[in-house]
Amino acid sequence: DIHMTQSPSTLSASVGDRVTITCRASQNIHTWLAWYQQTPGKAPKLLIYATSNLGSGVPSRFRGSGSQTEYTLTISSLQPDDFGTYYCQQYNVYPWTFGQGTNVET
Amino acid sequence: EVHLVVSGGGLVKPGGSLRLSCAASGFPFSGYAMNWVRQAPGKGLEWVSFISSGSSDIQYTDSVKGRFTISRDDAKNSVSLQMNSLRAEDTAVYYCARVGSAIDYWGQGTLVTVSS
Repeated sequence: DIHMTQSPSTLSASVGDRVTITCRASQNIHTWLAWYQQTPGKAPKLLIYATSNLGSGVPSRFRGSGSQTEYTLTISSLQPDDFGTYYCQQYNVYPWTFGQGTNVET
Repeated sequence: EVHLVVSGGGLVKPGGSLRLSCAASGFPFSGYAMNWVRQAPGKGLEWVSFISSGSSDIQYTDSVKGRFTISRDDAKNSVSLQMNSLRAEDTAVYYCARVGSAIDYWGQGTLVTVSS
């Protein structure tokens, strides 16, 4: 199985901050990488697919980049709705696997 | 608007069975693959199963192989997850989710608790 490792696990930030989350895959996933945001009690929401493509209705302050085994999610200016837990996920091979999550908190 | 409504969760004893159903609307269901993803209490996301459009490709995570069965009924715009031989470690919120551009829409989730 492909193991996905996110860093950091917890990130303390304020509104207006630039935030960067990193996701490392245990092998090349050929940019088949997605990012999701989850807030408490809610289902996850797709932010980014195929490394750098914005999901439907996702603001342009979210940016994804990367290749092979190293991927990054950047929020250019953190907004109040952006607090929560972020997950990366590879869908290059089965079983699809998620990172452990990054909790973005104040 | 895409809607995925999950039903069938609840409390079940170890070794028991449960069937989850997901009713889809707002998109041409037969043309999309569907997934089940679960989340144990206080834990991260775990992909469980995948079924392609037309049911030609079905996949499971290793821990549920031989116990869980995914199926779809395109006439009823629904996907199901039959869960047998349930274990305590299957306790989780189960999400039904559409596969478009990655997992692009998620249902609200249903809690499955396996406990004696």
